[in-house]
Amino acid sequence: EADIYQTPRYLVIGTGKKITLECSQTMGHDKMYWYQQDPGMELHLIHYSYGVNSTEKGDLSSESTVSRIRTEHFPLTLESARPSHTSQYLCASSEYDRGRGNTIYFGEGSWLTVV
Amino acid sequence: AQSVTQLGSHVSVSEGALVLLRCNYSSSVPPYLFWYVQYPNQGLQLLLKYTSAATLVKGINGFEAEFKKSETSFHLTKPSAHMSDAAEYFCAVGGSGGYNKLIFGAGTRLAVHP
Repeated sequence: EADIYQTPRYLVIGTGKKITLECSQTMGHDKMYWYQQDPGMELHLIHYSYGVNSTEKGDLSSESTVSRIRTEHFPLTLESARPSHTSQYLCASSEYDRGRGNTIYFGEGSWLTVV
Repeated sequence: AQSVTQLGSHVSVSEGALVLLRCNYSSSVPPYLFWYVQYPNQGLQLLLKYTSAATLVKGINGFEAEFKKSETSFHLTKPSAHMSDAAEYFCAVGGSGGYNKLIFGAGTRLAVHP
């Protein structure tokens, strides 16, 4: 199992504020992901990374940005938050095993509310 | 391209009854299939996964799922529901290879009543 830590777990901020959601994993996984999930809805991949200095946009367009300067750290930033950004953000990581595939392990999520 | 369809956004069972959550997938490559569970205000926890080693996969908390290629299905079952099983369940599909991403279904909310 991977240990993935997200902070903050809950955040309420005003419109226009800059926020960074932190995500760290302690298993040395190369691949990391950010998913967005509205309440009661499915997950959508918004960013992923294959390793240090590698970041890609996911399937759902997002105004957020990410960086991967260290293997264990994959923060997500919103430069100017808007109410439409209110959602749950889930960080995940994985390590590919040739015989068992690519299993993704999730953090507990960060609930963001923009007022 | 890959996709997942979970039949039934809400399923309600009595405590002690059989749990059956349906998942059908579409994949152009041999799939890896997963079931995750999400409890309120928490992240997703891996229940089980299929990696072609065996068609019947046993997971945590008494859950199991059977891969049926002819039906492109990966339904999740548990013989006897417990109150603590109430949660949201997500089926996901990923392709083989090292850089695949998981595609999730819309989720099924399981309610267990006394």
